[in-house]
Amino acid sequence: SQQGEEDPQALSIQEGENATMNCSYKTSINNLQWYRQNSGRGLVHLILIRSNEREKHSGRLRVTLDTSKKSSSLLITASRAADTASYFCATDAVGGGSNYKLTFGKGTLLTVNP
Amino acid sequence: EAQVTQNPRYLITVTGKKLTVTCSQNMNHEYMSWYRQDPGLGLRQIYYSMNVEVTDKGDVPEGYKVSRKEKRNFPLILESPSPNQTSLYFCASSSRLYGAGEVYEQYFGPGTRLTVT
Repeated sequence: SQQGEEDPQALSIQEGENATMNCSYKTSINNLQWYRQNSGRGLVHLILIRSNEREKHSGRLRVTLDTSKKSSSLLITASRAADTASYFCATDAVGGGSNYKLTFGKGTLLTVNP
Repeated sequence: EAQVTQNPRYLITVTGKKLTVTCSQNMNHEYMSWYRQDPGLGLRQIYYSMNVEVTDKGDVPEGYKVSRKEKRNFPLILESPSPNQTSLYFCASSSRLYGAGEVYEQYFGPGTRLTVT
């Protein structure tokens, strides 16, 4: 079953604006990760936030995690055309000592218009 | 350069003809994994491996086999491919495992686009 679900499915903004994507999940997690995928290419890891963290920054990226609501958000500030890509959240669910599985959502397609 | 490589990048084959997609990483990572990506379904895990000779099923293992005889290689085998295995396949690897059951950031290969007719 799908653990993480991104919202919205698609987002179109102008260059310079901020983009916010959300991810909801169902079960307790060890960590939550965000990845970017340019069309048809491999995923690139952006940022990881652990279950005991609430906020994390990396350059123009800001990630928040609310474990009580089982949700996370990814904020990209001052967006650029090069940020156009699909963004996925992935959760590492707590599932016992032998359950090393990372479950991805279906992604948010971000389009940044010049 | 640290990377995950996959071969072939594109493959068109016919139903029932056995094929192998190779995956290799040069980062000495313990953890390796295979995913398939389909429109509307996102990325789904097929198999993963914790280390040499240690493999386990992901969410969609039916119709696939894997082996991990060397740390750097993790081939995906389709013994009898069917059209529903037409997909974009990704191999990934990861080095850091925190405690029990935690997966750290993964490094992805460029993908293999497979078409089964």
